[in-house]
Amino acid sequence: NAGVTQTPKFRILKIGQSMTLQCTQDMNHNYMYWYRQDPGMGLKLIYYSVGAGITDKGEVPNGYNVSRSTTEDFPLRLELAAPSQTSVYFCASSYTPLGSGGDLRGTQYFGPGTRLLVL
Amino acid sequence: GQNIDQPTEMTATEGAIVQINCTYQTSGFNGLFWYQQHAGEAPTFLSYNVLDGLEEKGRFSSFLSRSKGYSYLLLKELQMKDSASYLCVSSNSGYALNFGKGTSLLVTP
Repeated sequence: NAGVTQTPKFRILKIGQSMTLQCTQDMNHNYMYWYRQDPGMGLKLIYYSVGAGITDKGEVPNGYNVSRSTTEDFPLRLELAAPSQTSVYFCASSYTPLGSGGDLRGTQYFGPGTRLLVL
Repeated sequence: GQNIDQPTEMTATEGAIVQINCTYQTSGFNGLFWYQQHAGEAPTFLSYNVLDGLEEKGRFSSFLSRSKGYSYLLLKELQMKDSASYLCVSSNSGYALNFGKGTSLLVTP
């Protein structure tokens, strides 16, 4: 299994441009997540999905959109890039949601990350 | 997100033992994860505690006290490759994980 894969690894955008960050997992996980990690800060949840066709906002959703048409893929869309969106973006997946009575299947597995620079 | 407190930086010597402490808010608590993150890489899962006590996995052990909102990660027989950031992560109500800022551990010869 490749686990969680992300593309691209690195991208430079100009202010106002748009792009899609790709995320794919081959573990048949229902739950997928997008996080951003700013320097010296903890990861912040942007959006998550509990299954194909179902998505919901996390802690910092403004400026982003997501879709989940298949179990495997969970792309993150930036419509109008802003310098504040310069960050490292991690996609993650889990078999079950957390809080399932201490079930380790709720463990989230992370992709390698996409480094985005908006100038 | 709910507050996670852990030291920013620690330094230890190769072969030694180091303990990284973490406190978290107990409201809606579901469990406590520790992740390791090398510079420029993704976080990787180390341990998960939901009940009080110590979980041992090779050179790494993790402890949880639910009543105190306290956890620690214990690393034994430190190796140079253990130099990384260690993330204390709580699971509280909902689907979101609450990530600490991480403890940057430097292992010196």
